[in-house]
Amino acid sequence: AQRVTQPEKLLSVFKGAPVELKCNYSYSGSPELFWYVQYSRQRLQLLLRHISRESIKGFTADLNKGETSFHLKKPFAQEEDSAMYYCALRGTYKYIFGTGTRLKVLA
Amino acid sequence: NAGVTQTPKFQVLKTGQSMTLQCAQDMNHEYMSWYRQDPGMGLRLIHYSVGAGITDQGEVPNGYNVSRSTTEDFPLRLLSAAPSQTSVYFCASSYGRKPYNEQFFGPGTRLTVL
Repeated sequence: AQRVTQPEKLLSVFKGAPVELKCNYSYSGSPELFWYVQYSRQRLQLLLRHISRESIKGFTADLNKGETSFHLKKPFAQEEDSAMYYCALRGTYKYIFGTGTRLKVLA
Repeated sequence: NAGVTQTPKFQVLKTGQSMTLQCAQDMNHEYMSWYRQDPGMGLRLIHYSVGAGITDQGEVPNGYNVSRSTTEDFPLRLLSAAPSQTSVYFCASSYGRKPYNEQFFGPGTRLTVL
């Protein structure tokens, strides 16, 4: 079965602390994995995709096929990173989203 | 470009009423989809379309109908609203066949069924 699991509903960190948002997936083929972000009063938008291997707003995510994980990391959290983060997997045509993790960065 | 637009932004219905949520995009995207967002449940796919005239069910299709007569529009119909359909509904679009496509989301419709 195709599934995306985000075990944490809420993650609170202090400004300047490292952040890791966890994502595990279940998929039989080669997955296309994404992180989407929803800032307060804004639309859901793409943060990064695993094929790009780039850092967006200081965030990176590495696909670990052995552990079927795609965790999102940032070495130093900023207050403007506070948002809802969704990990997503794209199957043939269907996108499957995790339940989301709300990140709160405390001053 | 307006991107993905949705109307209405807010709607209150009584149980048993029907209505249509509108979604349009002006990016000539092949792929369009509808999601509902519920607390603790994340985004769940209701229906999707890979092109005009082609639709398919997602994870939670019961109680909803869709059609895709044009590339631009993808309306979602609630046949007989139920309180369990109270949710925030998002429409999204992307270039369907290209891998690693970004999905572009609309602003959402907040629906309350009494």
